[in-house]
Amino acid sequence: QKEVEQDPGPLSVPEGAIVSLNCTYSNSAFQYFMWYRQYSRKGPELLMYTYSSGNKEDGRFTAQVDKSSKYISLFIRDSQPSDSATYLCAMSLSGNTPLVFGKGTRLSVIA
Amino acid sequence: GAVVSQHPSWVICKSGTSVKIECRSLDFQATTMFWYRQFPKQSLMLMATSNEGSKATYEQGVEKDKFLINHASLTLSTLTVTSAHPEDSSFYICSAIKRTSGSGEQFFGPGTRLTVL
Repeated sequence: QKEVEQDPGPLSVPEGAIVSLNCTYSNSAFQYFMWYRQYSRKGPELLMYTYSSGNKEDGRFTAQVDKSSKYISLFIRDSQPSDSATYLCAMSLSGNTPLVFGKGTRLSVIA
Repeated sequence: GAVVSQHPSWVICKSGTSVKIECRSLDFQATTMFWYRQFPKQSLMLMATSNEGSKATYEQGVEKDKFLINHASLTLSTLTVTSAHPEDSSFYICSAIKRTSGSGEQFFGPGTRLTVL
C-alpha cells in the first residue's frame, strides 16, 4: 500500500460544477496537509494548507482533513475552465520534513 | 509573498556534459530546500533534502555523486547533474521552507526542464 493514494482521474466536469478531490493515507503520524495545483510544465502552486484535522475555506476552495479516517478532501465550488490542472495532495510529518505527494488528479472543467 | 525562482527554466545539453540548476528564495530565507524530479504525467519524486551549511540528504536510489547539491546560503541551493545522460531528462523542481515558519508550507519553484541529447 502506498503512503498516499489519490485517484489520478482524469476528471471532467462542466463549468459551475462542484468538484471533490480526495486522498487517503496510511501513516497516522502525518500532521501537515496541503493541496497544490500544477499547470502543465509549471511548478506546483500551494492552494490550501491545513494543520491536523478540520476544515479550511479560501474563496471557492475548501479543504477538509479527517485524521481519524486518514482522509483529506478538496472541494472547488463554481468551477471554472481556469481550474483545469492537476491537483496534488501532499502531507508531511512535521514543519521541516519532506512532503509525500499523491499521484495527482487531472481535472478538466469544460465551458 | 513567498517566491521561489529557478534558473534556467529549460536546458538542452549533450550527453556527458554537466548542468547546474539554481534555486533561489527571492523574498524569504530558507534553511531547508528540497529537490524533486517529475517525469511526464507522474507525481513529484523527492531526490534530496538540502540544508544550509550542511551536506544534502539523498533519497534511496539517488546517486549523490551524480546529483551534486550545494546549499551555500539561506537563499540559494544548486543542483548539478554531472555527466548527464538521456535518462536524466526530466522536469526538476525545487521547493523551500521559510526559515521563520514552523508550518511546513513548502513553496515551489517553476521547475527546470532538462533535455539530454
